[in-house]
Amino acid sequence: DGGITQSPKYLFRKEGQNVTLSCEQNLNHDAMYWYRQDPGQGLRLIYYSQIVNDFQKGDIAEGYSVSREKKESFPLTVTSAQKNPTAFYLCASKYYNEQFFGPGTRLTVL
Amino acid sequence: AQSVTQLDSQVPVFEEAPVELRCNYSSSVSVYLFWYVQYPNQGLQLLLKYLSGSTLVKGINGFEAEFNKSQTSFHLRKPSVHISDTAEYFCAVSVSNSGNTPLVFGKGTRLSVIA
Repeated sequence: DGGITQSPKYLFRKEGQNVTLSCEQNLNHDAMYWYRQDPGQGLRLIYYSQIVNDFQKGDIAEGYSVSREKKESFPLTVTSAQKNPTAFYLCASKYYNEQFFGPGTRLTVL
Repeated sequence: AQSVTQLDSQVPVFEEAPVELRCNYSSSVSVYLFWYVQYPNQGLQLLLKYLSGSTLVKGINGFEAEFNKSQTSFHLRKPSVHISDTAEYFCAVSVSNSGNTPLVFGKGTRLSVIA
């Protein structure tokens, strides 16, 4: 089945540690996106990539980094510079006018 | 730039009653409009979308929405809700023919269906 995979579902880290969230898609979509979701805040765009080896900052990129070395993969690193990293992270891809979402990773920083 | 306002953060409704979730957008150019649903601890699933043509759009699970250009609205409706419709609903907008630029989302409306 085609789709977007995010792993793991739940992730715990100690404060001050960097952590990388995985996002893989087998839909052959060019564009991929990372959103952060907090209660009552909706979805806020962190980074997006329209093509391999290219990406752009979204509205809340500070404290995050990404890479896009392969079409299928768009990992997100949450660095120690991110002041409040505990949140639900959603990865998405886009084909024509529709965005498709992965199941999300809930990150808790202790 | 585009923006989306979902006027109600929470909507409680009794089972089998009708519901309307309101969405207004702001844009100076032609747009595409979307409604997504999110069940707890899951990703978003597309309910319906308006790209062009008929302003009344039908989606999955018995939902429909009407595009009103003069009022810049795209309200979501269902004539009779079920317990299983309890979820968070997001309205989103993008500029027409904008390629791979990301959608802009509203802050969501939490629909709670009461037995």
